Amino acid sequence: AQTVTQSQPEMSVQEAETVTLSCTYDTSENNYYLFWYKQPPSRQMILVIRQEAYKQQNATENRFSVNFQKAAKSFSLKISDSQLGDTAMYFCAFMKSPRETSGSRLTFGEGTQLTVNP
Amino acid sequence: ETGVTQSPTHLIKTRGQQVTLRCSSQSGHNTVSWYQQALGQGPQFIFQYYREEENGRGNFPPRFSGLQFPNYSSELNVNALELDDSALYLCASSLGRVSEQYFGPGTRLTVT
Repeated sequence: AQTVTQSQPEMSVQEAETVTLSCTYDTSENNYYLFWYKQPPSRQMILVIRQEAYKQQNATENRFSVNFQKAAKSFSLKISDSQLGDTAMYFCAFMKSPRETSGSRLTFGEGTQLTVNP
Repeated sequence: ETGVTQSPTHLIKTRGQQVTLRCSSQSGHNTVSWYQQALGQGPQFIFQYYREEENGRGNFPPRFSGLQFPNYSSELNVNALELDDSALYLCASSLGRVSEQYFGPGTRLTVT
């Protein structure tokens, strides 16, 4: 079974600064996908960024980038130029390549509550 | 392009009752997954439907069941409600089983 661990329950950052959220995972799979989702107080889970395990290049989406270390099973999220609207719960999630009987389920960590202060 | 929608937004039920939650997938998406998110925790996978068939199930008892319709919308049914079923229920749709899952706003279920 896969597990995802987010060791930082809460973090805070000043507006315009950079913050890094940590995530580690445990799996015996070689082909899989990793995601960061954001869940603001509105509850809507929003996809932030996706990384395929077979890709060595780290994914980036505007102010969001990841540091994917496959051997270390680490997948951190860096948010640059933090904005007030980035305040949310951030979830790291793992998905192994789908099987006929197991589908493509997401396994989530416990989340990190990020607060961006003005 | 219409996103994932869920109904109702909130629901209050009594222990032992049955409940049906509904999800409309994003246009063109043929896969729907359901998750349960207890307060302060990450979502837990319940099951997934792909082209109207169950395609994977998490560690949930049989009283959690579902359907997917020809238009790819989906229902989650929970029988014999227990207090621990109180949670946010999230539906996510995707195009195929490998692509990103896009979530709806959730249904908040309270069991008293």
